[in-house]
Amino acid sequence: KAGVTQTPRYLIKTRGQQVTLSCSPISGHRSVSWYQQTPGQGLQFLFEYFSETQRNKGNFPGRFSGRQFSNSRSEMNVSTLELGDSALYLCASSGTGVRETQYFGPGTRLLVL
Amino acid sequence: AQTVTQSQPEMSVQEAETVTLSCTYDTSESDYYLFWYKQPPSRQMILVIRQEAYKQQNATENRFSVNFQKAAKSFSLKISDSQLGDAAMYFCAYRSAFYTDSGGSNYKLTFGKGTLLTVNP
Repeated sequence: KAGVTQTPRYLIKTRGQQVTLSCSPISGHRSVSWYQQTPGQGLQFLFEYFSETQRNKGNFPGRFSGRQFSNSRSEMNVSTLELGDSALYLCASSGTGVRETQYFGPGTRLLVL
Repeated sequence: AQTVTQSQPEMSVQEAETVTLSCTYDTSESDYYLFWYKQPPSRQMILVIRQEAYKQQNATENRFSVNFQKAAKSFSLKISDSQLGDAAMYFCAYRSAFYTDSGGSNYKLTFGKGTLLTVNP
């Protein structure tokens, strides 16, 4: 099976712009979670989607949003970018069931100038 | 809220030797999962090992094993016969086994700050 894929891998934006990141889960996986990784805050949970519904959300401002499509692909959007949004954004997919393990994609590195 | 603490920011080990990475966590829940993930310089997060809290037996995966002490809320990772390819950042993570408020399985991982492991030849 192909692993979790994320596009683009690298992105440079300027303050005030918006950005959309994409994540394609492992085939058959219906849960997609997003994480932000920064040197200062470490890995922080953004949100999780399952069957096109957001089931769980972390403590991030409303500028961070996401959605999931019927094929389980997910996108996250950050509006009005700030310098502090520079980070590695990781997505993880999981199969159905509480015992399932999450598998991570390679990440999208976002730099905000 | 759950917290995960990794008290060793950096560790080093000689090739072929054994090293233990520490992790403690705080939770009031009785059922949960614990994980060790490895993140090499390529940045891809790779699952190393998982432990289910209701299982008393410590998990083992080849050269990787854990020492799970539920009462002490401790979850250390032992790497035996260390190899150069083991060099990476290692993260300990917690996941609740209870459903979320919306009624679905809880896939939120809470991570520690990580331990950077260096393997010396």
